[in-house]
Amino acid sequence: AQKVTQAQTEISVVEKEDVTLDCVYETRDTTYYLFWYKQPPSGELVFLIRRNSFDEQNEISGRYSWNFQKSTSSFNFTITASQVVDSAVYFCAFGNEKLTFGTGTRLTIIP
Amino acid sequence: DTAVSQTPKYLVTQMGNDKSIKCEQNLGHDTMYWYKQDSKKFLKIMFSYNNKELIINETVPNRFSPKSPDKAHLNLHINSLELGDSAVYFCASSRRGASYNEQFFGPGTRLTVL
Repeated sequence: AQKVTQAQTEISVVEKEDVTLDCVYETRDTTYYLFWYKQPPSGELVFLIRRNSFDEQNEISGRYSWNFQKSTSSFNFTITASQVVDSAVYFCAFGNEKLTFGTGTRLTIIP
Repeated sequence: DTAVSQTPKYLVTQMGNDKSIKCEQNLGHDTMYWYKQDSKKFLKIMFSYNNKELIINETVPNRFSPKSPDKAHLNLHINSLELGDSAVYFCASSRRGASYNEQFFGPGTRLTVL
């Protein structure tokens, strides 16, 4: 069975600091997908990124970047120059037949 | 032009009642899902339908019964509501399977059982 661990329950940083959210997964599958979702205080779930298990290239999208390392089974998410609007719960998820979510990391950006 | 919509947004009801939550997607997706998010924000899949066919049925009490009249709709009916059913229920949809396609979520339905 798959497992996704987000060990950081809550993180607080001051605005403009960089912050990295950790995600570690366990699987015996060779083909799978990894996702990050954002849940702002308003409650909706917003898709951020998808990576497949064969593509270990890091990805950058504006202030967001993702580091996928199969050797350590990690898919970490970094926000550069954080802003108050980044305050949310962030979920890492593993996909094969179904999507298995981590327990989420609550990120608070302090103005 | 809402992609995935759910009704109602809030539902407050007494223990023992039966209630339904409706979900509709206008994305042309083939697969729809129901998730439950508890008070600790833990998000867990309950059901998945692909082209109106049930493909995932997690360990969910049989008081919960999903129904998909067509591939754009997936409703959730709950019988004999219990206190522990209080949660936020999210509907989602994706192109084909969950494994490789991002899911688009509805706004959630906050169910409170008194």
